[in-house]
Amino acid sequence: TQLLEQSPQFLSIQEGENLTVYCNSSSVFSSLQWYRQEPGEGPVLLVTVVTGGEVKKLKRLTFQFGDARKDSSLHITAAQPGDTGLYLCAGVPSGGGADGLTFGKGTHLIIQP
Amino acid sequence: DVKVTQSSRYLVKRTGEKVFLECVQDMDHENMFWYRQDPGLGLRLIYFSYDVKMKEKGDIPEGYSVSREKKERFSLILESASTNQTSMYLCVTTGNYGYTFGSGTRLTVV
Repeated sequence: TQLLEQSPQFLSIQEGENLTVYCNSSSVFSSLQWYRQEPGEGPVLLVTVVTGGEVKKLKRLTFQFGDARKDSSLHITAAQPGDTGLYLCAGVPSGGGADGLTFGKGTHLIIQP
Repeated sequence: DVKVTQSSRYLVKRTGEKVFLECVQDMDHENMFWYRQDPGLGLRLIYFSYDVKMKEKGDIPEGYSVSREKKERFSLILESASTNQTSMYLCVTTGNYGYTFGSGTRLTVV
């Protein structure tokens, strides 16, 4: 079973600060996805990174896939209260994901005004 | 947009009841999945299906079964609900548009 370790588990910071969330594994994934989930809702896909070393930007969010495709990070610049939520990383196995994704346990992020 | 609809947002059932959680998708995707999400444990795969009448066990299938009689509908069945099955249940489908989640069903077993 492939495992994804996500850290930190909880993070509470002030508006305007920067933060980084990490997702690490000893396994190689064909791609890695980041989701954001609000209370009472299902996760919503933010981005998929596919190539080792790939960097994708989504406004103030920067996603990076490790060179070896075993880890990823999410960096938020100048965090805002609207960024509050549960952030999940999910790895697509080398076989393509027909057997489901492997999820990290999530990072609960609170941005205080 | 792909739409994944779970029939109930909130459900309260008694111990021992048979519970059906329904999921319908409108994009003709082959692959559908049921996960449960619990604090501190994250999302865990219960069952998945890659075609009509096909089903595969995920990581935690005990106490659950599934039904896929039509391509668009994937049902999760709790044969005899127990309190440890209180959880958020998420249906997922995947196809050309990637993975799409339903809004979830929060099930409480009392």
